[in-house]
Parts: sequence; C-alpha cells; structure tokens
Amino acid sequence: AQSVTQLDSQVPVFEEAPVELRCNYSSSVSVYLFWYVQYPNQGLQLLLKYLSGSTLVKGINGFEAEFNKSQTSFHLRKPSVHISDTAEYFCAVRRQGAQKLVFGQGTRLTINP
Amino acid sequence: DAGVIQSPRHEVTEMGQEVTLRCKPISGHNSLFWYRQTMMRGLELLIYFNNNVPIDDSGMPEDRFSAKMPNASFSTLKIQPSEPRDSAVYFCASSLDLGPSGELFFGEGSRLTVL
Repeated sequence: AQSVTQLDSQVPVFEEAPVELRCNYSSSVSVYLFWYVQYPNQGLQLLLKYLSGSTLVKGINGFEAEFNKSQTSFHLRKPSVHISDTAEYFCAVRRQGAQKLVFGQGTRLTINP
Repeated sequence: DAGVIQSPRHEVTEMGQEVTLRCKPISGHNSLFWYRQTMMRGLELLIYFNNNVPIDDSGMPEDRFSAKMPNASFSTLKIQPSEPRDSAVYFCASSLDLGPSGELFFGEGSRLTVL
C-alpha cells in the first residue's frame, strides 16, 4: 500500500518570501503524485500533478514541484508567496492503474504581511 | 459548468439521529468518492464507486455508515445512528475514469456536527 507523509503541519512565512512544503511518499510500485490546495471553507482543487517525464512540474498560481525518485519526495515550492496563498496544501499519491487517491495530513501555509 | 454539488452544506443534529448527505457528481464523470476530514485524522477515503458500483468500502468506519449510488448522477452517505465522533466535514469528489491523470473534482463539503 502507498502512503504519504507531509513533514510540516504548519508553515508560517512572510509575504513575498519563498516557501517549500515537503512531501515524502512510500510505495512498492510506480505512482502518480499530486498537490491539492484547500482554501478556507472550500473543497480541494488540483494545483499540479506528476505523471511521467520531466521531474519538474509547474502548476497554477506560480507553484511548482519536483519529483525525486531516489528520495521518494515531491516537494512543493513557490519563489514568492502572496497573502492569497494562505490555505491548506495536500500531497497525494495514486498507484498506477488504480483509482484510489491517498492524501497526506496536510500543511497549513500562513502568510504574514 | 456546474461542479460537484453537495447538500446540505451544514447539518447540526443530535446523537442518535439519522443523517443523510447527498452528492451530485459532475455530468459524465463515472467515479465518485466520499472523503471525511477531521483535525485529528485529516482526509480519509470512506468509499468509492466506479460506474455506480462500490469498489472499495474499506474506509467506512463501521456498520452505522452506508453509501449508495443508485444512478450516475446521485449518491448518498447515510449515518444511522449518528454519534458525536462523526462530527467532521464530508467531501464528495468525482473523476473521469480515463487515463492516469484522474483529477478529482471536489464539492464544497458538508459540515456535520453531532451534539
């Protein structure tokens, strides 16, 4: 079975500072990786996904993530955050050929002015 | 286009009462998922359907929980009897069963409070 670990439950940063949200996964088979964002009182929205090919994936709102197979990581980055990025971010993994998506515990990103 | 529609958005009930949560997936999607979100346990997959058939219900906590999908445009999650520990936000999500991308589209959730 696959699992996802998000290493930080909360990350506070100042506006316009860079941010990295960490995600590690474990799986005995090949997987697809996703980052979702949840704004307050809303459902989750897809930020970006890694299926194959280039290990650097670009998503919406200036976010990007890098797949590192040797370290089984899929960290999310943004070079300069904005107040509107305040949200909870979820890393998720899906085994190839499966429908089931397994989520990490989430990282709450707080942007301070 | 309409997204995933869930109702009610908020439900407050007393312990022992029956609760029914409803979901209308995006038209054309043939996979539907029910998730529960709590502070303690995060997002947990309860059950998912493919072409209206339950595929994996291993996440359903106990017999008090049941889910149905009578047709491609409607699903229910029922809790009977409800308990305070069932208080959570319940999300429904749907996806197209095409290829590996399989993006899930989430509804806005149903916030359940059991007193």
